[in-house]
Amino acid sequence: EVQVVESGGGLVQPGGSLRLSCAASRFTFSSYAMSWVRQAPGKGLEWVSGISGSGGSIYYADSVKGRFTISRDNSKNTLYLQMNSLRAEDTAVYYCAKDISGSYVVYFDYWGQGTLVTVSS
Amino acid sequence: EIVMTQSPATLSVSPGERATLSCRASQSVSSNLAWYQQKPGQAPRLLIYDASTRATGIPARFSGSGSGTEFTLTISSLQSEDFAVYYCQQYNNWPPGTFGQGTKVEIK
Repeated sequence: EVQVVESGGGLVQPGGSLRLSCAASRFTFSSYAMSWVRQAPGKGLEWVSGISGSGGSIYYADSVKGRFTISRDNSKNTLYLQMNSLRAEDTAVYYCAKDISGSYVVYFDYWGQGTLVTVSS
Repeated sequence: EIVMTQSPATLSVSPGERATLSCRASQSVSSNLAWYQQKPGQAPRLLIYDASTRATGIPARFSGSGSGTEFTLTISSLQSEDFAVYYCQQYNNWPPGTFGQGTKVEIK
């Protein structure tokens, strides 16, 4: 079965940086768009960023534009999220999610278990 | 940005009863709507896409309906494993993808 496993979360001070990774397996990674979706403690789901299968199309939520960078390495079947200038409101569980589409961000048929990012001094 | 509004926030239902959850879009999203189920401490799971198509492995007691701005998720006979939070998500207009705030289905 499809598997996506996030890593890289942790405690970081406001203004700091963190890089999340998502290792994918058991599907043709380069054929599918991928996204990061986050969930603040006790809150709902918020889409953060998405990238097409080729990496040629990238999308961001306004709340993270200019601070976060999504990328992928199709040779390593890995998705990344570089998070800079972190704020307390970025505290959340970050999920890696596989899209059903190759080119666009549509909806998500597989999700990882998430990695917790805590921004606090 | 399209705003998705779910109601009610919490739904109390007895096992075996029917549950009806609503999702409203601030503008038409055609049939480009998905539903997810999330249990405590777990990742969301895709239930329904294209407003009414069940995802692989989803039991027939889950059904979706609607188009345009009004959508419904119905669970025909609630099982113990169905008590969870349910989210709708529109994918007609990206970015951003927008989720509803969720409906918690709890045991009555």
